[in-house]
Amino acid sequence: GAVVSQHPSRVICKSGTSVKIECRSLDFQATTMFWYRQFPKKSLMLMATSNEGSKATYEQGVEKDKFLINHASLTLSTLTVTSAHPEDSSFYICSALLAGGELEQFFGPGTRLTVL
Amino acid sequence: LAKTTQPISMDSYEGQEVNITCSHNNIATNDYITWYQQFPSQGPRFIIQGYKTKVTNEVASLFIPADRKSSTLSLPRVSLSDTAVYYCLVGPYNFNKFYFGSGTKLNVKP
Repeated sequence: GAVVSQHPSRVICKSGTSVKIECRSLDFQATTMFWYRQFPKKSLMLMATSNEGSKATYEQGVEKDKFLINHASLTLSTLTVTSAHPEDSSFYICSALLAGGELEQFFGPGTRLTVL
Repeated sequence: LAKTTQPISMDSYEGQEVNITCSHNNIATNDYITWYQQFPSQGPRFIIQGYKTKVTNEVASLFIPADRKSSTLSLPRVSLSDTAVYYCLVGPYNFNKFYFGSGTKLNVKP
């Protein structure tokens, strides 16, 4: 089956620094990827839709200057949390859309971000 | 996308069949129903998808009544490893934006 990876799996950073999270589709090309955020014991919240070669589309309430998304290739999307603060600590999950006979999203394993 | 309502949590014992129901009263004609499973600190994993009647795969069955306003995910003979959160999502066949509801936390006890 299609595999999506994320790197790093865990990251701890100091407040005010920026953190980049990578999302890769390992065995398929994904023109569309999605970024989610999940707080403890809460559901996944869609943050943005990342389309290869174009600007990301952000959900209402998500700061695009805070969460920079780049989808430079068909297998890689990156999420950069700029000037991270403790309230940005969360579980960040990406997914990639496999377009073919059936459209299906494949989720990455997630990245645990802790901002001190 | 149609809003979904699920029980917040369910308890079961190993070996039992578990049925998790999802309500989606405003489901549209071209909407499909998809279920995902999520373990702690992992991304969601696709379980099953259906449009009407019954769908079965190697891990679960999905029952959808004629009015399609609800659906039931059936997990046969659960084990401790089935303890997870189960999400029901509803949207068109080619829907790509997932708006997750609260999900159902299934706790399987020995």
